[in-house]
Amino acid sequence: KAGVTQTPRYLIKTRGQQVTLSCSPISGHRSVSWYQQTPGQGLQFLFEYFSETQRNKGNFPGRFSGRQFSNSRSEMNVSTLELGDSALYLCASSSDRVSGANVLTFGAGSRLTVL
Amino acid sequence: SQKIEQNSEALNIQEGKTATLTCNYTNYSPAYLQWYRQDPGRGPVFLLLIRENEKEKRKERLKVTFDTTLKQSLFHITASQPADSATYLCALVDGGFKTIFGAGTRLFVKA
Repeated sequence: KAGVTQTPRYLIKTRGQQVTLSCSPISGHRSVSWYQQTPGQGLQFLFEYFSETQRNKGNFPGRFSGRQFSNSRSEMNVSTLELGDSALYLCASSSDRVSGANVLTFGAGSRLTVL
Repeated sequence: SQKIEQNSEALNIQEGKTATLTCNYTNYSPAYLQWYRQDPGRGPVFLLLIRENEKEKRKERLKVTFDTTLKQSLFHITASQPADSATYLCALVDGGFKTIFGAGTRLFVKA
């Protein structure tokens, strides 16, 4: 069974640019969550999608957006990049069977560097 | 405000000893609490889940306790090995399917 796949693994952008990251969940998992991880802030929740709808949202500015497709694949976009957006962006999927348990399977992450 | 707090300082222990990591939470009422392991440059990996009505859960050398009165979970690794060196994260679900993580505790096991 294939795991969660994130692309690209590494990317370098400059301030003001935008970036799109992709996530393919485990087959059969319909919930996809995104996190930003930095050394100072740890894992910060960005948003969660289920059946193409954003169901939960963290405390990030509107420059951070996402979407989910009918095959459960998800993308997140960051516009007008800032230096502080440099981070490891992690995607995780879950089977969404038990509310409250929500065991997550993570991808390897996309390492974004903003210069 | 809501918080999940873990020991911010790294934990250094000798091989063969038991490592104990602490997770405290404030202003949450989780039905479940989870523990994950994260190695450098990789995504977290799920280890254990414990329900609010369970006092203790074991899996091989791992043991987790959950005290809803103290709002605390303890994570134990017995007979620790250098391969156990990693960052350990506790997590809980906030209202449905939004999983919130603590900052993690780095564990170093010295041979």
